[in-house]
Amino acid sequence: DVKVTQSSRYLVKRTGEKVFLECVQDMDHENMFWYRQDPGLGLRLIYFSYDVKMKEKGDIPEGYSVSREKKERFSLILESASTNQTSMYLCASSPPDRNLREQYFGPGTRLTVT
Amino acid sequence: KQEVTQIPAALSVPEGENLVLNCSFTDSAIYNLQWFRQDPGKGLTSLLLIQSSQREQTSGRLNASLDKSSGRSTLYIAASQPGDSATYLCAVYTGTASKLTFGTGTRLQVTL
Repeated sequence: DVKVTQSSRYLVKRTGEKVFLECVQDMDHENMFWYRQDPGLGLRLIYFSYDVKMKEKGDIPEGYSVSREKKERFSLILESASTNQTSMYLCASSPPDRNLREQYFGPGTRLTVT
Repeated sequence: KQEVTQIPAALSVPEGENLVLNCSFTDSAIYNLQWFRQDPGKGLTSLLLIQSSQREQTSGRLNASLDKSSGRSTLYIAASQPGDSATYLCAVYTGTASKLTFGTGTRLQVTL
């Protein structure tokens, strides 16, 4: 079974703090994604990566950055956390088959910024 | 820009009923469509994936259909159970920027 793990289930941070969210997948997937999920807005793509050291902006990249130094690990960074970044953050990965693109999700990290 | 709509937003049914969840999308040029389940406060679990060349996929009591030309998909759940209570999300992959576009989901409650 594909396993996608996220470093924390719940996080509480203060405004202005630098926040790191970590995601690890164990199936050698090329593609990895970060989403945020908010009531009424659904899932929105923040950033994705299709290879080590490669990254692409999604729909809402402002205020975020990412790092992919190893194939299995994709990190989301909030350089200076703000209250409007309080949300559920979901990481996903997908296999290299370009015609398949079935995405596998981690359990999510609920981040609260106070 | 692809938009995905799910109707209804919420649904409550008694145990044992068969039910249909609907998903529509505006751009029919999709590679595949995926149905997910999400339990409260949890991540997404993939239920079914339908390639653009397929008409339907089945897994146990679940059957998903796809009509690409009309921009519609349905998820049929047979003999519903309380354990089916969750939010169901559909998402389409258009091959653009490798991303899925999600609907906002249907929250299903199956009552005893």
